[in-house]
Amino acid sequence: DIVMTQSPDSLAVSLGERATINCKSSQSVLYSSNNKNYLGWYQQKPGQPPKLLIYWASTRESGVPDRFSGSGSGTEFTLTISSLQAEDVAVYYCQQYYSVPFTFGPGTKVDIK
Amino acid sequence: EVQLLESGGGLVQPGGSLRLSCAASGFTFSTYAMSWVRQAPGKGLEWVSAISGSGDGTYYANSVKGRFTISRDSSRNTLFLEMNSLRADDTAEYYCAKNGAGYVYFSLDSWGQGTLVTVSS
Repeated sequence: DIVMTQSPDSLAVSLGERATINCKSSQSVLYSSNNKNYLGWYQQKPGQPPKLLIYWASTRESGVPDRFSGSGSGTEFTLTISSLQAEDVAVYYCQQYYSVPFTFGPGTKVDIK
Repeated sequence: EVQLLESGGGLVQPGGSLRLSCAASGFTFSTYAMSWVRQAPGKGLEWVSAISGSGDGTYYANSVKGRFTISRDSSRNTLFLEMNSLRADDTAEYYCAKNGAGYVYFSLDSWGQGTLVTVSS
């Protein structure tokens, strides 16, 4: 199984400042035949189901604000919130969908400082 | 608008069975893979199972393999999860989710509100 890790476990950022979340996979999730990274990022607010933010590691889902961006390839990935807003308080998860079982990272909690 | 509505959760004794349903609308159900993801109280997300759009490919987490069965009925636009030999560590909110295409190797772009399964005596 591919093990997903995230860092930090939690972070507190001032409004308008940048938040950066890291995700690592125990093996590459880059599929060489199409050059796509099978990695997604999800946001989960308290009491709500998860919401897809980013897929293929860097493609923003329709309707997601452009302050959210994803980067990375192979085994190391980053989710960046360029200017944190109050509504961004949530837990963020990465997930690999390269190989079954499609594992999630443990989550990173983002709060306002 | 995509809508996914789970049902069938509840309290069940260890060793018991339960069948979850997910009624889908707002998209052509038969052309998309579907998945189940669960979340134990206060914990993170755990992928449970997925089924291809055609229904001929099914996939399971090691923790549920042999106990859970995923299926779909495209005539009723409904996804199912048959859960047998339930254990206390199966207690979780169970989410139904839509994959981004007919194959399971896609991200989960729409999620239901979840249904709670509690396994306890």
